[in-house]
Amino acid sequence: EAGVAQSPRYKIIEKRQSVAFWCNPISGHATLYWYQQILGQGPKLLIQFQNNGVVDDSQLPKDRFSAERLKGVDSTLKIQPAKLEDSAVYLCASSQAGGQGRGTDTQYFGPGTRLTVL
Amino acid sequence: AQSVAQPEDQVNVAEGNPLTVKCTYSVSGNPYLFWYVQYPNRGLQFLLKYITGDNLVKGSYGFEAEFNKSQTSFHLKKPSALVSDSALYFCAVTGGYNKLIFGAGTRLAVHP
Repeated sequence: EAGVAQSPRYKIIEKRQSVAFWCNPISGHATLYWYQQILGQGPKLLIQFQNNGVVDDSQLPKDRFSAERLKGVDSTLKIQPAKLEDSAVYLCASSQAGGQGRGTDTQYFGPGTRLTVL
Repeated sequence: AQSVAQPEDQVNVAEGNPLTVKCTYSVSGNPYLFWYVQYPNRGLQFLLKYITGDNLVKGSYGFEAEFNKSQTSFHLKKPSALVSDSALYFCAVTGGYNKLIFGAGTRLAVHP
């Protein structure tokens, strides 16, 4: 079974530029998550999709971050314009649960995209 | 609000010795607890989870974790450490809508 795929693996940009990350979840997984992991910290959820609808985006900085999951499969996360503090690893994860979830579902993570903003 | 704490930034252990990585939690309602491991330049790999039932949970690569409700702890253990176990370990609890709330991580260093 193929895992969660992400691209690119690394990205270096100047501040105020825009950047986009792509994620392809495990086949058949209804729920997709984007996490931000700043160096020295645990991952923090940015946005969660169930199929192609947003379940939780309470910690997404909506003035600069956007995400979409078209057709309930692949997803893209965009930052525009980027700030220095956006330097982090962006992790995509997926889980099988189709409903709201009772909190028991295992999430499987991709390799991440390491973003450096100069 | 749900939260987890990992009180040790780093744990050092000699190869062949038992290892413990500590985690305490604070939740309202039933605790659903997870351990993940992260190798350099890799994503997080699932090790094990506690949902209900037996307090001793067995997972991947010989790891296990003990759920202790009275001490609100979920410590990760392995009877005999390997050098290849050296990595960053994260404890997590689920919040609303199944999102994971992670601790800050503990770096495990296993010395030959």
